[in-house]
Amino acid sequence: RKEVEQDPGPFNVPEGATVAFNCTYSNSASQSFFWYRQDCRKEPKLLMSVYSSGNEDGRFTAQLNRASQYISLLIRDSKLSDSATYLCVVNGWTGNQFYFGTGTSLTVIP
Amino acid sequence: DARVTQTPRHKVTEMGQEVTMRCQPILGHNTVFWYRQTMMQGLELLAYFRNRAPLDDSGMPKDRFSAEMPDATLATLKIQPSEPRDSAVYFCASGSSGTPYNEQFFGPGTRLTVL
Repeated sequence: RKEVEQDPGPFNVPEGATVAFNCTYSNSASQSFFWYRQDCRKEPKLLMSVYSSGNEDGRFTAQLNRASQYISLLIRDSKLSDSATYLCVVNGWTGNQFYFGTGTSLTVIP
Repeated sequence: DARVTQTPRHKVTEMGQEVTMRCQPILGHNTVFWYRQTMMQGLELLAYFRNRAPLDDSGMPKDRFSAEMPDATLATLKIQPSEPRDSAVYFCASGSSGTPYNEQFFGPGTRLTVL
C-alpha cells in the first residue's frame, strides 16, 4: 500500500465551482501535512500547510482528519488560474521522510 | 525574494557520460532534498541532508548516483555513468528543520535527457 494516495482525476470544473480533493495516508504517526500546487513543467509550490484545527487561506480551505487518516483541500469560486496538479504531502513518522501523492489534476473551464 | 536555484536547467547528454547537477538552497535553510520526477513514477525522494549530513539516501541507486553538500550553500547530485532511464526532472528543495511544519521549497529543476 502506498504511503499517500490521491485520486488522480482529472477534475474538470466550470469557473466559479467549488471542488474538493481528498488524500489518504497510511501511517497514523505522520506528523505534518501539506498541499502543493504544480503547474505543467514547473516545480511544486507550497500552497498550504495543513494544521490540526484546519486552516483557510482565501478561497482555499485545508482540513485534517487524523481518525480517518485523510486530508482535504477545498477550493471555492474556482478560477481559470487554479488549473494545475495538486500534490498531497505527508511528513513521515521519523521526521525525515516526505511522501508525495501522485497528484490530482484540476482543469477549470471557462 | 529568496528561492532555491538549480543549474543547469536543461541537460542533454549521451549514455555513459557523467552528469553533475547543482543546487543552492535558500540562505539559512539547513535541510536539502533531491527528488526525481517522471510521468510514470511521480516524485521520488533520492536523498536528504540536514546540516550538510546525509540522513537518508535510500531512494538513490548507489551504484551510479552520489549526492554531497560540500558547504552549506551548495548541494550536488552526480550520475556516473548516466543511462537513458535516468531521463527525468531533478528537483532540489530546501527547508528549515527548526520550523514547526518543515515546509520545503523547490527549485526550478534540472531537466535531464540521456540519449
